[in-house]
Amino acid sequence: DADVTQTPRNRITKTGKRIMLECSQTKGHDRMYWYRQDPGLGLRLIYYSFDVKDINKGEISDGYSVSRQAQAKFSLSLESAIPNQTALYFCATSERTRPNEQFFGPGTRLTVL
Amino acid sequence: EDQVTQSPEALRLQEGESSSLNCSYTVSGLRGLFWYRQDPGKGPEFLFTLYSAGEEKEKERLKATLTKKESFLHITAPKPEDSATYLCAVPHGSSNTGKLIFGQGTTLQVKP
Repeated sequence: DADVTQTPRNRITKTGKRIMLECSQTKGHDRMYWYRQDPGLGLRLIYYSFDVKDINKGEISDGYSVSRQAQAKFSLSLESAIPNQTALYFCATSERTRPNEQFFGPGTRLTVL
Repeated sequence: EDQVTQSPEALRLQEGESSSLNCSYTVSGLRGLFWYRQDPGKGPEFLFTLYSAGEEKEKERLKATLTKKESFLHITAPKPEDSATYLCAVPHGSSNTGKLIFGQGTTLQVKP
């Protein structure tokens, strides 16, 4: 079984819709991250969480919100999706002592029409 | 502003043809440099951590090196299964936050 799972793997939605992407991990890591990946722009950090009660904005948080429901679950929401949020989204986890050695999920491909 | 630049964007090699990928960085105080591998349709996979100039790390056909301005990922006698996008990253701000700045990657294709 995969250590970091993401659902859904693919999603097509329309402008203005609310979307939630979910991430679960069985690695027992405290820290979790949400990234988006765009061609030519690389991976960019949206939000990160040190633990259930500590959530922080990343480089590009506008238009996104997150929820850390438990140590193992971290969800990303797009309150009102827009076409330029079309991208590949990755969840990642890390140990507190090695925060830069991150373990990524398989990704969610989101298309906003 | 912290920046990471990788070159070339794409590299095609014949099986067995050795080469190097470059990662140049501009940071206000290096707190580590990290290499990841990303296969098509998958999330990045951690490869190496380098902390100081002169440090080297090896894994199979890959060797990562670090200077004060750049890092190289040397690929010796590559095989088709080494085909992937290789990403490098540096920490942004405090090294303990996990906030990474990624380069745009080098996509390597190794032909049999």
